[in-house]
Amino acid sequence: DGGITQSPKYLFRKEGQNVTLSCEQNLNHDAMYWYRQDPGQGLRLIYYSQIVNDFQKGDIAEGYSVSREKKESFPLTVTSAQKNPTAFYLCASSTTRARGPDGAFFGQGTRLTVV
Amino acid sequence: AQTVTQSQPEMSVQEAETVTLSCTYDTSESDYYLFWYKQPPSRQMILVIRQEAYKQQNATENRFSVNFQKAAKSFSLKISDSQLGDAAMYFCAYRVIYTGTASKLTFGTGTRLQVTL
Repeated sequence: DGGITQSPKYLFRKEGQNVTLSCEQNLNHDAMYWYRQDPGQGLRLIYYSQIVNDFQKGDIAEGYSVSREKKESFPLTVTSAQKNPTAFYLCASSTTRARGPDGAFFGQGTRLTVV
Repeated sequence: AQTVTQSQPEMSVQEAETVTLSCTYDTSESDYYLFWYKQPPSRQMILVIRQEAYKQQNATENRFSVNFQKAAKSFSLKISDSQLGDAAMYFCAYRVIYTGTASKLTFGTGTRLQVTL
């Protein structure tokens, strides 16, 4: 079955450490996205990528980094520069067709907790 | 910049009754999509319904329907015959239509729907 896989589901990090969240899709989508979800704030866009080896900052990119070396993969690194990293992180993908059938497909998320 | 506003942080409905969730948005674009996503306790985002701005007819999906008022920039979700499984966070989302590029979704802050017996 096609879909998006995020791993791990739960992640704990010590302050000052970098951590990488994995996102893999087999939907043959060109575009991939990372969103952060906090209580009462909805989903906010961190980074997105339209094509391999290209990505753009979203609304809250500070303290995060990404790479897009393969079409299927879009890992997110939460760096020590991110001041408040504890959150729920969602990865998504979509086509780049203007009138695609769906807004985006989402993974099941990773809950990151800084301890 | 586009913004999406959901003014109801929480709503409650009795089983089998009807409930309407509100959403307003702000944009200068004329061609865009609007969506309602459901996020149950599992936190998986599930697409409930979508509306294309150029279509005047309101979208429907079984018990879910929308009231799309383009001039008022309003996009409400009506859930009929509510079921216990409808209990979830509901997010309204917007994306402008561009050809050949990633289309970022802009989300509202969500409405938590409780369904009571």
